[in-house]
Amino acid sequence: GENVEQHPSTLSVQEGDSAVIKCTYSDSASNYFPWYKQELGKGPQLIIDIRSNVGEKKDQRIAVTLNKTAKHFSLHITETQPEDSAVYFCAASRVADSNYQLIWGAGTKLIIKP
Amino acid sequence: GAVVSQHPSRVICKSGTSVKIECRSLDFQATTMFWYRQFPKQSLMLMATSNEGSKATYEQGVEKDKFLINHASLTLSTLTVTSAHPEDSSFYICSAPTGGRNIQYFGAGTRLSVL
Repeated sequence: GENVEQHPSTLSVQEGDSAVIKCTYSDSASNYFPWYKQELGKGPQLIIDIRSNVGEKKDQRIAVTLNKTAKHFSLHITETQPEDSAVYFCAASRVADSNYQLIWGAGTKLIIKP
Repeated sequence: GAVVSQHPSRVICKSGTSVKIECRSLDFQATTMFWYRQFPKQSLMLMATSNEGSKATYEQGVEKDKFLINHASLTLSTLTVTSAHPEDSSFYICSAPTGGRNIQYFGAGTRLSVL
């Protein structure tokens, strides 16, 4: 079955710097890759997603890149701010019929140092 | 984005009691909902897939008689932890995909503490 690996497990960056979190997946049939942000004691919140027919997607300070050949995708946060501190999860899904199941990475705790 | 409401946000109960958690899709219909369990500093672990009008599909190792799931309508799924014990203490989260776009939206989670 699908397996998603996420690195690093913890990332500490200076406020204003960029942060990059990387994920790899094993199932070449996966075609949907969302990123979620989870703050302490809350449910995950979708921040950006990308489908396999696109190589890059950007939304203000957040961008995601996808390399289908290498089977990896990355989250890029620029000009980091204290409110970006949270745990970030990547996921992969093989969208087919009514199967919406997500396979999750282990998560990355992002710490923004003031 | 779509809104998923989960209640209660926090529950403390005595060992042996049952606890019901509700998950509602507020502005869309969801024939499928997912229930996750999350331990501290860990990723989400899928427990079961809730299917409207039919039985839930449980992941391997999840006791269906322990975690009862009911999906009685297109906007409501419930998870009942029966005869809860301290080892059931955890953070439970539900999610629902929007129709046709396969994007999952999550509830705020329920922190269950069994004394």
